[in-house]
Amino acid sequence: AQKVTQAQTEISVVEKEDVTLDCVYETRDTTYYLFWYKQPPSGELVFLIRRNSFDEQNEISGRYSWNFQKSTSSFNFTITASQVVDSAVYFCALSELAGTYKYIFGTGTRLKVLA
Amino acid sequence: AAGVIQSPRHLIKEKRETATLKCYPIPRHDTVYWYQQGPGQDPQFLISFYEKMQSDKGSIPDRFSAQQFSDYHSELNMSSLELGDSALYFCASSLVGAGKETQYFGPGTRLLVL
Repeated sequence: AQKVTQAQTEISVVEKEDVTLDCVYETRDTTYYLFWYKQPPSGELVFLIRRNSFDEQNEISGRYSWNFQKSTSSFNFTITASQVVDSAVYFCALSELAGTYKYIFGTGTRLKVLA
Repeated sequence: AAGVIQSPRHLIKEKRETATLKCYPIPRHDTVYWYQQGPGQDPQFLISFYEKMQSDKGSIPDRFSAQQFSDYHSELNMSSLELGDSALYFCASSLVGAGKETQYFGPGTRLLVL
């Protein structure tokens, strides 16, 4: 069965610290996609990144970077030099070809960046 | 760029009333998804439509129904509302195929059942 685990319920860091959000997934499908979304206090879900199962290349976008490792079924997200505006709930999600691409979300990690 | 539009943004209903949530997907997107996010929880998949046909169904109560119309907008109809239906309801759209499976979410409709 498909499952996404975000073991970190809440993380607090001081501004300018680096922080890594963990995501572990389970799937039997060979074609799947992994995503990270940000949900700020205003409530909307903001798309950050998509990775497909055939592309293990890590990606960096500004202060954000993602580490996808199929061997450990992990898709971790690192924020470098965190800022107060990064404070939000971050969701990791999985969608599968066999699952009509609906999202299975993790339970989310609440990140608090303190000034 | 055009985004997913949801209306209304906020809705207050009494128990046992009905509610209709509307979703207008991004132009040319062929798939619509509905999710329910309870307080402090992750979004849970309810139902999806591909080219106006139901494509998948999740843990959607029998009191809820949905459809997608010829102009691709979708409506989620909720009857006999219960206190536990209070949640943030998201609609998302995507263009399936050619590696474009990313879902883009609307701002959500916040439903409060009193």
